[in-house]
Amino acid sequence: TQLLEQSPQFLSIQEGENLTVYCNSSSVFSSLQWYRQEPGEGPVLLVTVVTGGEVKKLKRLTFQFGDARKDSSLHITAAQPGDTGLYLCAGKMGAGNMLTFGGGTRLMVKP
Amino acid sequence: DAGVTQSPTHLIKTRGQQVTLRCSPKSGHDTVSWYQQALGQGPQFIFQYYEEEERQRGNFPDRFSGHQFPNYSSELNVNALLLGDSALYLCASSLVDRVTGEQFFGPGTRLTVL
Repeated sequence: TQLLEQSPQFLSIQEGENLTVYCNSSSVFSSLQWYRQEPGEGPVLLVTVVTGGEVKKLKRLTFQFGDARKDSSLHITAAQPGDTGLYLCAGKMGAGNMLTFGGGTRLMVKP
Repeated sequence: DAGVTQSPTHLIKTRGQQVTLRCSPKSGHDTVSWYQQALGQGPQFIFQYYEEEERQRGNFPDRFSGHQFPNYSSELNVNALLLGDSALYLCASSLVDRVTGEQFFGPGTRLTVL
């Protein structure tokens, strides 16, 4: 059982559609990060959220941290083929820099 | 400003052999973490090095060991390789104990064990 559960695992949509990816846990995190990973490459940091209830926007991407700091969501508006990739959430608990990752959501946006 | 670099990019070994992977952190970073990412899964934390010592360790056997050098670069060693060790090995660098815990990843080393 993973500490961080991501849903859905796979998502295939048409260009222009909206989507939301969820990252859930029963544990409290001091911060949560979202990464995007292309095949054969390392994860690239998109955003870090720290405060419960925090909302951050990155162009068409909106990230939210749950009030209790146990869950997070990523919403993409008007998805484009360039958004295709593996989206990973990762949480930090307490001291130390260790990150616990979710299993990832594989997104495919068709033109 | 160079990001995190890893070498080699690909490696093929046979069962029972030993392997060493290398990582140079992002300029200004003092902490290096290693992760194992099996195909289709999220990365799993192996261990973290700071000030040349192992600070935290995930649920990996003693066959996995590491080292950090005075210039902050790091090595990951895996002994007695098993087929299940085939994975993408990621190195991430960061600043120690930042509240945000932001880590920056290298491109990874793809290890195949035959």
